[in-house]
Amino acid sequence: DQQVKQNSPSLSVQEGRISILNCDYTNSMFDYFLWYKKYPAEGPTFLISISSIKDKNEDGRFTVFLNKSAKHLSLHIVPSQPGDSAVYFCAASETGSQGNLIFGKGTKLSVKP
Amino acid sequence: KAGVTQTPRYLIKTRGQQVTLSCSPISGHRSVSWYQQTPGQGLQFLFEYFSETQRNKGNFPGRFSGRQFSNSRSEMNVSTLELGDSALYLCASSPGTYPNTEQFFGPGTRLTVL
Repeated sequence: DQQVKQNSPSLSVQEGRISILNCDYTNSMFDYFLWYKKYPAEGPTFLISISSIKDKNEDGRFTVFLNKSAKHLSLHIVPSQPGDSAVYFCAASETGSQGNLIFGKGTKLSVKP
Repeated sequence: KAGVTQTPRYLIKTRGQQVTLSCSPISGHRSVSWYQQTPGQGLQFLFEYFSETQRNKGNFPGRFSGRQFSNSRSEMNVSTLELGDSALYLCASSPGTYPNTEQFFGPGTRLTVL
């Protein structure tokens, strides 16, 4: 049973436009959420995180939104750049198990020039 | 600061053999977590070590084991290899304390079992 779901395996956007990647979770005990970016044959690179006490966190072009009642989070990338093309993973953890990240299956983002 | 390093980067083994993978965390980080990535299952948590003790464990058989040394370096061992163990094995380090913080990943070890 998947606790973290990324229902869109792929997403294609035009350079300069907004990319919105979505993630749903089922475990209400999750209190920390992260987004990672991954290129083939490399380890995931941390992008941005959000604690459950917040509903928004921004870092440059990246913003993560958390809707706890809907158990949904999203990553917004504005403006999108061709270098953003990669697989994006959503992950979650709960206090007491912070070493254990539960990952979604990923969304492959393609940003076209 | 140097990042997380993993050795070796690539390994080819045959069924029935055993393998040991190594991970050096970021200096000062006391937590090391291990993950397995396969095309079908995605990234799955194996176990976490904190201050030389296994703190969390995923749903993998006992053939998968690990340990952590006093300098926080960690090793993962897989015994009696099966074809299905072919995967990218990733380790990640973090301070490991409350509140939760992000984990930083190494480049991974690509294991192929023939």
